[in-house]
Formats: sequence, C-alpha cells, structure tokens
Amino acid sequence: GAVVSQHPSWVICKSGTSVKIECRSLDFQATTMFWYRQFPKQSLMLMATSNEGSKATYEQGVEKDKFLINHASLTLSTLTVTSAHPEDSSFYICSARSGLADSYNEQFFGPGTRLTVL
Amino acid sequence: GDSVTQMEGPVTLSEEAFLTINCTYTATGYPSLFWYVQYPGEGLQLLLKATKADDKGSNKGFEATYRKETTSFHLEKGSVQVSDSAVYFCALTPLGGFQKLVFGTGTRLLVSP
Repeated sequence: GAVVSQHPSWVICKSGTSVKIECRSLDFQATTMFWYRQFPKQSLMLMATSNEGSKATYEQGVEKDKFLINHASLTLSTLTVTSAHPEDSSFYICSARSGLADSYNEQFFGPGTRLTVL
Repeated sequence: GDSVTQMEGPVTLSEEAFLTINCTYTATGYPSLFWYVQYPGEGLQLLLKATKADDKGSNKGFEATYRKETTSFHLEKGSVQVSDSAVYFCALTPLGGFQKLVFGTGTRLLVSP
C-alpha cells in the first residue's frame, strides 16, 4: 500500500514556541491531506482538510490561526502549532488520499507525531 | 451529528480464541463503514469496509457485516493470533461525504500465546 510519513515522530517544546510537523506521501500524489488530533483514550478528531494549492478547510472549533496548515505540493503538507501551550499537547496524525473529492479513495495514514508542550 | 461507538478495551484473548469487537453508529442515511487497524508504531491501515446495507467486508480472516436495522458493524475473527494484537478503530464516512472519516475511540486487542 501507499506510504505516508510524518516528521518528527516526537517533539517536546516550551510554551509559547511554534512547532512544525511534516506529512509526506512517499509514493503517490496526494490531492487531499487530512490532519487529525487524538487525545488519550479518545477517537481521532478531524482538524482540517487541505487540498493541494488551496486553503485548508477547518472543522468547527479548530482555530485557524493556531493550527496553520500548508499543502504546498502534492506530496507535502505541514501543520504548524503556533504559540504552543500545554493544552496543545496531543498526538497529531495526518492522512493522504488521491483522486476526486466526490468519490471514495482510501486514506493512507502517517504514524503520528507526539507533541508535548512544557 | 454522525458518531461511532465501540467497546472499550483492552480486549485480552488467548491465541485461537474467537474475537468480537462491537461497533454501532449514528448517521443520516447510508454511510460507508470501515474498520482500521493500528499496529504498534505504525499508521492506521484500512482493514475492511462495507458501503451498503448487508454488505460483508472481509480481510485477513476478519469480517464485519453492515447491519442497517441495528446500526452496527461488529468486527469478528474466528481464531486470533498474537500478530493481531493492535488497536482497532471503527469509522464511517457520511452519505456523500467521501472525504471525511468519523472514528470511534478504538479498541486495543491483546492476544497472548
């Protein structure tokens, strides 16, 4: 199957700093990438959907200025957590899919990034 | 809104035991239903899916049947192996919403030799 990588896999930062997480599709072109957040013992919550070359669509309750998403190419999307605070500590997971938005195409998931804000 | 409820874990079984992980959903119309599996240190992988009522998805010995009348999509396997130890997520995409996955909380399965 298709491979999606995330970098870094684990990051610790100080409160007030910004952190960038990369998501790459290694062997296919991802027209759409998704960013999820997962709290302990809770389900994955979709944060935003990004299509290559256009602005991301954020889910209700997700702060656009807090979580900046850039999908600059068909193989790379980045999530930047700006001015991070301890409550932003979480497990962030990306996924990627190819194909048309109105048809089912499998999403391929990255392994996740653990963010800890001190 | 749409939601998925699955049984809490961990589910602990001995090798060759029968597995059932319950999943029920709330959605408008006819969503597509999925089971994803996450092995330690890896990303979620699609295990099986069903797109309409009474469809049965199957893969690697796992099965799940789309039951519209009970809004359920329970995962079953007749004989589990130690290598099946993982976290299993039930999910749906709303009718027409092929981009969006709504996940359950995940169920950890531990299989001992």
